[in-house]
Amino acid sequence: SAVISQKPSRDICQRGTSLTIQCQVDSQVTMMFWYRQQPGQSLTLIATANQGSEATYESGFVIDKFPISRPNLTFSTLTVSNMSPEDSSIYLCSVALGQSYGYTFGSGTRLTVV
Amino acid sequence: GENVEQHPSTLSVQEGDSAVIKCTYSDSASNYFPWYKQELGKGPQLIIDIRSNVGEKKDQRIAVTLNKTAKHFSLHITETQPEDSAVYFCAASRAGYGQNFVFGPGTRLSVLP
Repeated sequence: SAVISQKPSRDICQRGTSLTIQCQVDSQVTMMFWYRQQPGQSLTLIATANQGSEATYESGFVIDKFPISRPNLTFSTLTVSNMSPEDSSIYLCSVALGQSYGYTFGSGTRLTVV
Repeated sequence: GENVEQHPSTLSVQEGDSAVIKCTYSDSASNYFPWYKQELGKGPQLIIDIRSNVGEKKDQRIAVTLNKTAKHFSLHITETQPEDSAVYFCAASRAGYGQNFVFGPGTRLSVLP
């Protein structure tokens, strides 16, 4: 399975600022996914990022708030913009390696907005 | 759209006993059902999965069963150990969305020594 490196692992940010989360995969993958996990909750898909095209956002998530880059087949970034305390969550990057393998997740970025 | 329910939300068992977690899904077109284990401070880890053309799959102490007619699937852990303590998530594929999944709300399993 793929190995995913996600940075930073945690951060405490001031409201109104932005944070960019990086996701690096050790193999080339077509699709990368960004999830949010609010405290004690399940995982909610933010967007799907394909290389060479704009990300596809799920209902309730917009590009202005969560811009995503996907410059190549091994890397993606998610920016959380103009943060408020409600954005405090764990943000997870994941990749799918094929129909039989589900997802591999990164270890997540634990964001606290104060 | 797809909706996944999961029960129970919390489960405590004695070490050595079995644990069962049940999930239901709403979209009959879903065809892939993974289970994830999330330990504190870590990302979810895929532990077992099942496709819609299979009724049961086993991997050592872990098994998953699928009832397509009833649209439910279950995770069975036998001979539980303290290291099995974690949050477990079931998921179902979203038909027509490729490798896109909807996750259940999670079950916090505690294995008591």
